[in-house]
Amino acid sequence: EVQLVESGGGLVQPGGSLRLSCAASGFTFSTYSMNWVRQAPGKGLEWVSYISSGSSAIYYADSVKGRFTISRDNAKNSLYLQMNSLRDEDTAVYYCGVGTQGRIDWGQGTLVTVSS
Amino acid sequence: DIQMTQSPSTLSASVGDRVTITCRASQSISSWLAWYQQKPGKAPKLLIYKASSLESGVPSRFSGSGSGTEFTLTISSLQPDDFATYYCQQYNGLWTFGQGTKVEIK
Repeated sequence: EVQLVESGGGLVQPGGSLRLSCAASGFTFSTYSMNWVRQAPGKGLEWVSYISSGSSAIYYADSVKGRFTISRDNAKNSLYLQMNSLRDEDTAVYYCGVGTQGRIDWGQGTLVTVSS
Repeated sequence: DIQMTQSPSTLSASVGDRVTITCRASQSISSWLAWYQQKPGKAPKLLIYKASSLESGVPSRFSGSGSGTEFTLTISSLQPDDFATYYCQQYNGLWTFGQGTKVEIK
């Protein structure tokens, strides 16, 4: 069974930084691309970033480009999202997600609150 | 980028009603479409993947159809637990989501 557990969320001031982690288990992590998705309070779902299995291909939503950095450590079965220059509008629950066997699995999310 | 247009944005229905939600992709995504149910404060719950495959444990009153650019989620007989927000998601390349459909009690 695929399990994804996000951590690292919290309260941060505008302009601050935060690093999210996603611990993966139940599948061969090193062979699958991974994604981050977020949901602001009362809003819909927004894709944030993608990383290929070997980290050779990386993409970002325009809203976070230049501020967020996605990375992974296949030896540790872990996915990361480094978030810099945080803005109020980055306040959201952040989920990591993976597509395996044609279906999608998500974690339970970690809340990031950007506020002074 | 592939855009997903979901309709309606809100739907008022009664227990026992047949409910249909539509999602349209801006270009063909084959069958790489998922449907989710979300309740307040919870993570999205996968209902349907690959357009028409029912996720394990999901009641059979939920069904999905379509391919290419037009997709539908049908709830054959709405139950009290089904009042929630529903999202479609394409995963033919970079992920994108529909805007959501809130199913309310009529």
